[in-house]
Amino acid sequence: GAGVSQSPRYKVAKRGQDVALRCDPISGHVSLFWYQQALGQGPEFLTYFQNEAQLDKSGLPSDRFFAERPEGSVSTLKIQRTQQEDSAVYLCASSRPSYSTDTQYFGPGTRLTVL
Amino acid sequence: SQQGEEDPQALSIQEGENATMNCSYKTSINNLQWYRQNSGRGLVHLILIRSNEREKHSGRLRVTLDTSKKSSSLLITASRAADTASYFCATGLYNFNKFYFGSGTKLNVKP
Repeated sequence: GAGVSQSPRYKVAKRGQDVALRCDPISGHVSLFWYQQALGQGPEFLTYFQNEAQLDKSGLPSDRFFAERPEGSVSTLKIQRTQQEDSAVYLCASSRPSYSTDTQYFGPGTRLTVL
Repeated sequence: SQQGEEDPQALSIQEGENATMNCSYKTSINNLQWYRQNSGRGLVHLILIRSNEREKHSGRLRVTLDTSKKSSSLLITASRAADTASYFCATGLYNFNKFYFGSGTKLNVKP
């Protein structure tokens, strides 16, 4: 079946621009996660949704980062006024159960480069 | 930090050899998972081991968990060039809706 998809796969933005990254989770998966992965590092948690409810946003690095999942399916991660330190791969993952610490299925990621 | 940390950071072996990588963590966990990431790709789930389990197998993979030492190991037997990738452990904590990833072990299997 279809896995987690993300778009765009690559995004180049000029410093100060706003960007929106999309995640399509596996159909029927309740939980959705966003991670940020810097070069040579492991993924760092950003935020977690259970259906449309954002239950944990403790990993969002600043108020320039905003995520939503209005209908409990597709999610968008928005970064306002991008900075060079925002350059990273942004990974989305989904999980079937409502308890979140179970197997997460990852998308291919969006590589964001801020010039 | 509550992250799992993998050891070694890099490992280079010949095809056919076994590869062992370790993960240490700091706090009590609900479960621990291992993921593989090929260059430029997303993470692929390999195996999940729960805190009340000590060992799990999946094909050529063997994972052990020692909660008293707060450590886990991933063994890949009879390695293949296609196993070349970065391997991450991720710890899931009780009552926390997130996983903590280490910085990974970069495995290179030479043909």
